[in-house]
Amino acid sequence: AQRVTQPEKLLSVFKGAPVELKCNYSYSGSPELFWYVQYSRQRLQLLLRHISRESIKGFTADLNKGETSFHLKKPFAQEEDSAMYYCALWANNFNKFYFGSGTKLNVKP
Amino acid sequence: DAGVTQSPTHLIKTRGQQVTLRCSPISGHKSVSWYQQVLGQGPQFIFQYYEKEERGRGNFPDRFSARQFPNYSSELNVNALLLGDSALYLCASSGPPVGGKNIQYFGAGTRLSVL
Repeated sequence: AQRVTQPEKLLSVFKGAPVELKCNYSYSGSPELFWYVQYSRQRLQLLLRHISRESIKGFTADLNKGETSFHLKKPFAQEEDSAMYYCALWANNFNKFYFGSGTKLNVKP
Repeated sequence: DAGVTQSPTHLIKTRGQQVTLRCSPISGHKSVSWYQQVLGQGPQFIFQYYEKEERGRGNFPDRFSARQFPNYSSELNVNALLLGDSALYLCASSGPPVGGKNIQYFGAGTRLSVL
């Protein structure tokens, strides 16, 4: 069955520390993966997608098909990165989106 | 452009009632998706509509239905409400000219409470 797993509900780091938010997926087809972010009192919004292979706000994510992972990384966390992060999969074979349960990132000063 | 708009923002219903939630997509977007988000969980995909036709459906009972209008706005209907239907319902639109296929732009949501 298709699913997206984010094993950490909460991740706390100090400002300037590296951050890695984990995402694993289960899908037999060719996945399209995304990271969405929700800042306090704001809407859910796209952070980045694997197809674009770009860095947004210093974040990067690499699709590893062998490990079925799409971890989100940032070398130096900033306080403004504190937010809820969701990993999402578009399963083209089923025309469905699957979201993980989210990881709350707390960057401490 | 105000982005994706949803109405109402809050709604209180009792068990067994029916509810209709509304969504207006970003101008130019032809695809609308609906999600249910229960507290502490990620959004759960309910439906996707494109050009007024259902393209995808999540694992929700037949009590959930939706439609898309010629102006690409959409309604989500839930019949015979259960306590477990209490959640935040999110609408998202996608497609050119803003973003691209499968990039979801979310509304602020409708908070449904079933008593």
